[in-house]
Amino acid sequence: DQQVKQNSPSLSVQEGRISILNCDYTNSMFDYFLWYKKYPAEGPTFLISISSIKDKNEDGRFTVFLNKSAKHLSLHIVPSQPGDSAVYFCAASALIQGAQKLVFGQGTRLTINP
Amino acid sequence: NAGVMQNPRHLVRRRGQEARLRCSPMKGHSHVYWYRQLPEEGLKFMVYLQKENIIDESGMPKERFSAEFPKEGPSILRIQQVVRGDSAAYFCASSPAVPGLAYEQYFGPGTRLTVT
Repeated sequence: DQQVKQNSPSLSVQEGRISILNCDYTNSMFDYFLWYKKYPAEGPTFLISISSIKDKNEDGRFTVFLNKSAKHLSLHIVPSQPGDSAVYFCAASALIQGAQKLVFGQGTRLTINP
Repeated sequence: NAGVMQNPRHLVRRRGQEARLRCSPMKGHSHVYWYRQLPEEGLKFMVYLQKENIIDESGMPKERFSAEFPKEGPSILRIQQVVRGDSAAYFCASSPAVPGLAYEQYFGPGTRLTVT
């Protein structure tokens, strides 16, 4: 039962253009959403997050949008840079049986072409 | 302030041996989480621990796997009698003990376990 889904395994974008990564979830109990970035042979690095009471959060080149009715969130990166090439994981958080849990999507490999 | 530390970074074990993976959380963090990532998949939650307590082990296989976070020292994920299917990257994350901020998990570099 995949509660958090990233349906695009990979995405290729030209440098300077906008990258849009998508994520869908099924569990209405999730109250916080996060994006992590991962380079090969490294652990995931926290990028940006959004509370379920908001619909947008912006941090520099990164903006996360949340559409609760559609149970969908997206990460926008603009302008895209070569260093943004990495695997991006969407994660959702919920308090389950007294513990705050993160549920991850499968990841989207973003490649920025010069 | 050192980040989350994991060792070893790479571990090779033959089938039937034991694997011990260590995780030292960030300074000031008392919550530790272990995740497993199989090739081409996302991270899957295994276990959540606080000092001397297992809070949630619902993601951990019932047999051969155990975890601890003692009062002193790192958290240990132990896999007994490893099989080829245990080959994966194991990530540890830690978070502060502030209520409502437990979702802010910071990850270590991972241990890549290879079972031959």
